Amino acid sequence: GAVVSQHPSRVICKSGTSVKIECRSLDFQATTMFWYRQFPKQSLMLMATSNEGSKATYEQGVEKDKFLINHASLTLSTLTVTSAHPEDSSFYICSAVQGLGEQYFGPGTRLTVT
Amino acid sequence: GENVEQHPSTLSVQEGDSAVIKCTYSDSASNYFPWYKQELGKRPQLIIDIRSNVGEKKDQRIAVTLNKTAKHFSLHITETQPEDSAVYFCAASQRGGATNKLIFGTGTLLAVQP
Repeated sequence: GAVVSQHPSRVICKSGTSVKIECRSLDFQATTMFWYRQFPKQSLMLMATSNEGSKATYEQGVEKDKFLINHASLTLSTLTVTSAHPEDSSFYICSAVQGLGEQYFGPGTRLTVT
Repeated sequence: GENVEQHPSTLSVQEGDSAVIKCTYSDSASNYFPWYKQELGKRPQLIIDIRSNVGEKKDQRIAVTLNKTAKHFSLHITETQPEDSAVYFCAASQRGGATNKLIFGTGTLLAVQP
């Protein structure tokens, strides 16, 4: 299947700082990328849908000014958690889709805010 | 919007027994229903999926059934093995719709006892 990478895999940051997470589709062009957040022992909650070259569509309750998404190319989307706080600590997972095909998930990024 | 419920939240079976996980969805426009297996700290992996024009699909020890009228779909694992132990998520989507986004169920922690 297609390969999606995320970087970094783990990050620890101090409260108030910003963290950028990259999601890359390595062997296909992703017209759409999705960003999910997963708290321990919970489900994947969709945060936003990102289409290349356009603004992301955020799910209800997700602050667009706090979670900045940039889909700069057909192989790269970034999620920036601005002014991170301990409650933002979570597992962030992206997925990438070519057209209306299957979603391929990245390996996830474990964010810990101290 | 779509809402997906999943039961049970935990399931413990003896090796060799069958396991059944059930999901219901709310949006009759949903037409694609994948199942994912997620091991601790790893990405979700697609194990089987079914589209709304099919009532049942089987792949070796795994099968999925769909009842469109009742908006139910179920995952059946036969002859369970310890390596089947993981968290399983159902999801619903509108393939061919505007966004193709997945809405996940709450997850089932399956433990297969040797």
